[in-house]
Formats: sequence, C-alpha cells, structure tokens
Amino acid sequence: GAVVSQHPSRVICKSGTSVKIECRSLDFQATTMFWYRQFPKKSLMLMATSNEGSKATYEQGVEKDKFLINHASLTLSTLTVTSAHPEDSSFYICSAREGALQQFFGPGTRLTVL
Amino acid sequence: KQEVTQIPAALSVPEGENLVLNCSFTDSAIYNLQWFRQDPGKGLTSLLLIQSSQREQTSGRLNASLDKSSGRSTLYIAASQPGDSATYLCAVRGSGNTPLVFGKGTRLSVIA
Repeated sequence: GAVVSQHPSRVICKSGTSVKIECRSLDFQATTMFWYRQFPKKSLMLMATSNEGSKATYEQGVEKDKFLINHASLTLSTLTVTSAHPEDSSFYICSAREGALQQFFGPGTRLTVL
Repeated sequence: KQEVTQIPAALSVPEGENLVLNCSFTDSAIYNLQWFRQDPGKGLTSLLLIQSSQREQTSGRLNASLDKSSGRSTLYIAASQPGDSATYLCAVRGSGNTPLVFGKGTRLSVIA
C-alpha cells in the first residue's frame, strides 16, 4: 500500500511553545489529508480535513487558531500546535488520500507538553 | 452523523480460540469499511477493507463480513495467538470526500 510518513515521531516541549508536525505522502498525491488525535486508551477523533490549496475544515470543538493546518502541496501537510499546554499532550495521526481511493495513515506523533 | 460502535470493549481469550469482534454503524450509506489493528503506543495497521458492494474479505486467519443494510460488520479471528493481542478498530467511510469514522475499539488479550 501507499506510504505516509510523519515527523517527528515523538516530541517533548515546554508549556507555551509551538510544535510543528509534518505529514508526507511518499508515493502518491494526497489531494485530501486528515488529522486525528488519540488520547490514551481512546479511539481516533478527527480534528480536521484539508484539501490541497484550500483552508482546512475543522471538526466541532477543535480550535482552528490553536491547531494550524497547512496543506500547501500534494505531498505535504503540517499541523502546528500553538502555545501548547499539558492538555494538548496526545497521539496525533495524519492520514492521506488520493481522490476517492483508500485512506492511508502515518505512524503517529507522540506529543508530550510539560 | 455517522456513529460507530464496537462490542465488546475488551476481550480476553485463551490461545487457540476462535473469536468474533463486532462493529455497528448508524448510517448504512457507506463507501467502505475497514478494520485496523493498533498495538500499544503505535500507529494503525490496516487489516481488511470491504467495499460497500462486498459481503466479506479474508486474509489468512482473519475474515471480515459486512451487512450494510443492517449496519453491521464482524471480524472473525481463527485460532487466536498471543501475537494477536492488540486493539482492533473498525472504521467506516461515507460517500463523497468524507473521512473514516472510528469506533472506540476492542482491546483483545490472547492468553498463552
């Protein structure tokens, strides 16, 4: 299947700092990318959907000014957690899809905010 | 809004047993359904994908069925092994450019 990479795989930061997570589709053009968040022992919750070149669509309850999503190319999307706080500590997983094809997932990024 | 429910939330079985995990969804107008495995602290591994026009898919000891009209899917694991211990997630995709919607998962423990 297609490959989606995420970087970094793990990040620890101080409260109040910003963290950027990159998501790349390695062998296909990701016309749509999705960002999910997973708290310990919980399921994946969709945060936002982004189409290349367009503004992201955020799910209810997700602050767009706090979670900045950029999808500037067909192979790269970034999620920036601004002014991170301990409650933002979570496992963030990106997913990418080319057109109507299957949705592929990255390996996830573990964010810990001290 | 699509809602996905998985039963049971947790399951513990002795090695060698056959078992069934259940998934139900509220909106039957789906594009496909996918079963994933997730090990603790890790990402997702796709196990089986069933298109809306299909009734089942098989891969090795795994068999997934889909009854779209009743909003149900099952994942059958034959001859379970300790290495099968993980959380199994069911996810449903609606029509159009919609994302996968996940259930809360079933945490499986296979005891040697």
